[in-house]
Amino acid sequence: EAGVAQSPRYKIIEKRQSVAFWCNPISGHATLYWYQQILGQGPKLLIQFQNNGVVDDSQLPKDRFSAERLKGVDSTLKIQPAKLEDSAVYLCASSLKFRQDTQYFGPGTRLTVL
Amino acid sequence: KQEVTQIPAALSVPEGENLVLNCSFTDSAIYNLQWFRQDPGKGLTSLLLIQSSQREQTSGRLNASLDKSSGRSTLYIAASQPGDSATYLCAVRPTSGTYKYIFGTGTRLKVLA
Repeated sequence: EAGVAQSPRYKIIEKRQSVAFWCNPISGHATLYWYQQILGQGPKLLIQFQNNGVVDDSQLPKDRFSAERLKGVDSTLKIQPAKLEDSAVYLCASSLKFRQDTQYFGPGTRLTVL
Repeated sequence: KQEVTQIPAALSVPEGENLVLNCSFTDSAIYNLQWFRQDPGKGLTSLLLIQSSQREQTSGRLNASLDKSSGRSTLYIAASQPGDSATYLCAVRPTSGTYKYIFGTGTRLKVLA
């Protein structure tokens, strides 16, 4: 069974530029999560999808971050414009169904904003 | 607001030593607590899940305990090996709010050969 795929693995941009991350969850998984992990901290949930609907985006900085999950499969997380404090690893995870405790994590995208 | 703290932030031990990692949380109203392992450049892997009604869970050389009333959990690693070197994260599922995990800051473990 293929795991959660993310791309790119690394990205370096200047502040005020835009960037997009892509996630392909495990086939058949209904729930998809995006986390932000700043160096030295634990992951923080940015947004949670159930199929293509948003369950929780309370910690997503909506003035600059956006995410979508078209057709309930792949997902894209966008930052526009980026700030220095957005430098972090962005992790995508998926689970088979909502309210399931087992989440499968992708390798993450390391973003550096200069 | 639920907060999760892990002490120590980093730990270095010789191979073969038994060790304990600590996790504390401020609100005892949780569904469960989970311990994860994170290797550099990789995502998280779940190690052990303890439901709020349980006291401990074991998997191989790993044993996790939960004292919900005092807001504490420990991860015990027996006979540590260099392959155990990684960052260990604990996370809790609060009973309030949406169904999500709150993560601690992690303990970075290095086992010396």
